[in-house]
Amino acid sequence: AQSVAQPEDQVNVAEGNPLTVKCTYSVSGNPYLFWYVQYPNRGLQFLLKYITGDNLVKGSYGFEAEFNKSQTSFHLKKPSALVSDSALYFCAVDLSTSGTYKYIFGTGTRLKVLA
Amino acid sequence: SQTIHQWPATLVQPVGSPLSLECTVEGTSNPNLYWYRQAAGRGLQLLFYSVGIGQISSEVPQNLSASRPQDRQFILSSKKLLLSDSGFYLCAWRNRGSYEQYFGPGTRLTVT
Repeated sequence: AQSVAQPEDQVNVAEGNPLTVKCTYSVSGNPYLFWYVQYPNRGLQFLLKYITGDNLVKGSYGFEAEFNKSQTSFHLKKPSALVSDSALYFCAVDLSTSGTYKYIFGTGTRLKVLA
Repeated sequence: SQTIHQWPATLVQPVGSPLSLECTVEGTSNPNLYWYRQAAGRGLQLLFYSVGIGQISSEVPQNLSASRPQDRQFILSSKKLLLSDSGFYLCAWRNRGSYEQYFGPGTRLTVT
């Protein structure tokens, strides 16, 4: 079965430190992978995507993610965390290659950046 | 540029009452459209998606339905709400040929 896993419910990091939010996937074929961020009572905002090419993709607000095919992972990273980065982060995989037009989302990871 | 609207922003409805949530997209044509529900501020559940007018795919059997009467309009409905229908409802769109989905601001539904 196709799935996306975010193994950490919450990640705490001190402001100025690097952050990593983990995501692993299990899909058939080549995955199209995404990260979204959600602030309280708001819709999801697109951060970045991996479709093909360079394994390190850069996105909005200084975030980047590394695609690792052998480990089936797509971890979100940022070199220096800000308090304003505190939010709920979702990893998603697109199933369009399977003939559908939908995502599977992970369960979300709450990032808390401490001042 | 493209924008997506959802209304109402918040809604409190009694059990057994009907529901109609509306989503419209501007600045694009023939998008894929999606309804999600988010419970308890965490996981997202895909409810329906549509690849064209009148074409609705249902992901989860429940007392909700969706319709797409116009190209950029997506409506979520229920004839009789249940307590379990409470949640945060998100509409999203996606252009053909691209992969990312863009989300609306959401509707917070509380069924009492």
